[in-house]
Amino acid sequence: DSGVTQTPKHLITATGQRVTLRCSPRSGDLSVYWYQQSLDQGLQFLIQYYNGEERAKGNILERFSAQQFPDLHSELNLSSLELGDSALYFCASSPSPGLAEAFFGQGTRLTVV
Amino acid sequence: AQSVTQPDIHITVSEGASLELRCNYSYGATPYLFWYVQSPGQGLQLLLKYFSGDTLVQGIKGFEAEFKRSQSSFNLRKPSVHWSDAAEYFCAVVERRDDKIIFGKGTRLHILP
Repeated sequence: DSGVTQTPKHLITATGQRVTLRCSPRSGDLSVYWYQQSLDQGLQFLIQYYNGEERAKGNILERFSAQQFPDLHSELNLSSLELGDSALYFCASSPSPGLAEAFFGQGTRLTVV
Repeated sequence: AQSVTQPDIHITVSEGASLELRCNYSYGATPYLFWYVQSPGQGLQLLLKYFSGDTLVQGIKGFEAEFKRSQSSFNLRKPSVHWSDAAEYFCAVVERRDDKIIFGKGTRLHILP
């Protein structure tokens, strides 16, 4: 158990819908990362937050947004969903940005039908 | 742009045989380097990391990796694999400027009995 909790574990939704994925980092970790894992693209970095502020941005679509709340949990919002958004979405946390190892959650498997 | 290359998509070895998984990176300075393992249906778990110092690093589960600056490589090795090592292995690099963790595409390891 990494200490990072992601909910829900599975999500099935229709195209055009909006979903929210939630991540609770390890106790004391200030940095949260979001990744998308798909068969064709591999693990793609989406976005990173550190202590509530956006720290780094990767290949995140405009339809996607994220935030980190004062209690340090984070949410990834995916809107106007397309079939191609079906993937495993991982959250990871670390004590500080970049320098320490990242601890990964079990992921949320999103299926868009 | 910084990149991480894992040239082998699949590798098959017999149980008890030695293993080497290749990883090359493209980065201007010495990056922070990581190897993660992902078992089916699981999140990623850190095997080992290199920040500086001794270029041969030991990790969990009997794995080790050697940083070779001249070859821009950080190959993962294990002298004798076990059936439980069957998983997907990801090499990762921290881009310190942006604090992003960049992953390779992964190598799926299959173990023959």
